Amino acid sequence: QVQLVQSGAEMRKPGASVKVSCKASRYTFTTYGISWVRQAPGQGLEWMGRTTPHDGHTNYAQRFQGRVTMTTDTSTSTAYMELRSLRSDDTAVYYCARDFPPLDQNDYVWGYYFDNWGQGTLVTVSS
Amino acid sequence: EIVLTQSPATLSLSPGERATLSCRASESINSHLAWYQQKPGQAPRLLIYDASNRATGIPARFSGSGSGTDFTLTISSLEPEDFAVYYCQQRSHWPPNTFGQGTKLDIK
Repeated sequence: QVQLVQSGAEMRKPGASVKVSCKASRYTFTTYGISWVRQAPGQGLEWMGRTTPHDGHTNYAQRFQGRVTMTTDTSTSTAYMELRSLRSDDTAVYYCARDFPPLDQNDYVWGYYFDNWGQGTLVTVSS
Repeated sequence: EIVLTQSPATLSLSPGERATLSCRASESINSHLAWYQQKPGQAPRLLIYDASNRATGIPARFSGSGSGTDFTLTISSLEPEDFAVYYCQQRSHWPPNTFGQGTKLDIK
């Protein structure tokens, strides 16, 4: 079955950056987008943005524009999310998730659901 | 930005009972709504998409209904493993794809 395996927990100081990876397997990486969703401790889910592996097209939530970069490496089927200028309220578990429906069934008119998820990466921001 | 409001915040029921969870959108989202289940320490799991379609491998006791602004997730007869937090999510007006704040289903 589909697997998304994320990198391990990170600790950063305020103002620093963090880059989380998400390695996909058991499906054709270029046929689905990848989204990033975060969850602060005890809180709900927040969609941050997504990327299209075969052309690098991205869509970001407005509140993260300018502070986040989402990329992919199709040679290793890996997606990356870099968040800069970290603050204490960026402390959260960050999930990658496979977009659904697949890219050939959506033309960006509608957004996406998320049918497979990584295990999550805890990012702690503290001085 | 579409706001999704879930109710109730907490629902206390016993195994075998029927659960009804609600999600209301701030404007019409057609049928572009999904439901997810999240257990402590785990990633969310997609249950229902496009308001009423069960995702792969989801038991038939889970069903979804609704369109426009009002949606319902029904669990026909609760199993012990169903006690978790449930989120709705819309993809109609994006970005962003927004989530509701969640309903916690706990054991009475």
